Amino acid sequence: DAGVTQSPTHLIKTRGQQVTLRCSPKSGHDTVSWYQQALGQGPQFIFQYYEEEERQRGNFPDRFSGHQFPNYSSELNVNALLLGDSALYLCASSPTGLFPPNTEAFFGQGTRLTVV
Amino acid sequence: AQTVTQSQPEMSVQEAETVTLSCTYDTSESNYYLFWYKQPPSRQMILVIRQEAYKQQNATENRFSVNFQKAAKSFSLKISDSQLGDTAMYFCAFMRGGSNYKLTFGKGTLLTVNP
Repeated sequence: DAGVTQSPTHLIKTRGQQVTLRCSPKSGHDTVSWYQQALGQGPQFIFQYYEEEERQRGNFPDRFSGHQFPNYSSELNVNALLLGDSALYLCASSPTGLFPPNTEAFFGQGTRLTVV
Repeated sequence: AQTVTQSQPEMSVQEAETVTLSCTYDTSESNYYLFWYKQPPSRQMILVIRQEAYKQQNATENRFSVNFQKAAKSFSLKISDSQLGDTAMYFCAFMRGGSNYKLTFGKGTLLTVNP
């Protein structure tokens, strides 16, 4: 089992551009959550997808959007990039409806986005 | 809204010694879970230990244990027999029951284990 995989690992974009980050969940997991981790900070919840719909959302502007595919993989899209969007973007997967101690969330290694 | 506070930005410990990382949280929920995650330089978040709020007994996982004080909303992590591989960022996290792993994290504590 490859666990949670994210691509790309690093990305440099110019202010105003758009970016798409990708996440493949752990086998057997159908819920995908995205987090933004600014330098020196803890991760902040962006949104969560299952059954191909956004189910929960954190305090992020509409420039942040996502998608989930039938195979449970997910994309995070950010439009009109700002310098402040530079961060590590983490994806986490978990099985819907199962909670501790019966399961846990697994994280990918993240995508480091730099906006210049 | 829930908040998680880690008041120690950095800590260091000698190899084989014991260290305690602090975490406090604020919530009005009665059904919740608390976690400690480790983030090494590889960036991948790894679950260290978890605590169900309804359980009075403190969780333990090998060298890792917690001191869960529900009334004080405190959740500290004790690492015994510290090893060089324990060097990492440690994050305390909160999850409301039924929220399907929507986690609220603290700002983290950088732990350095010295030889």
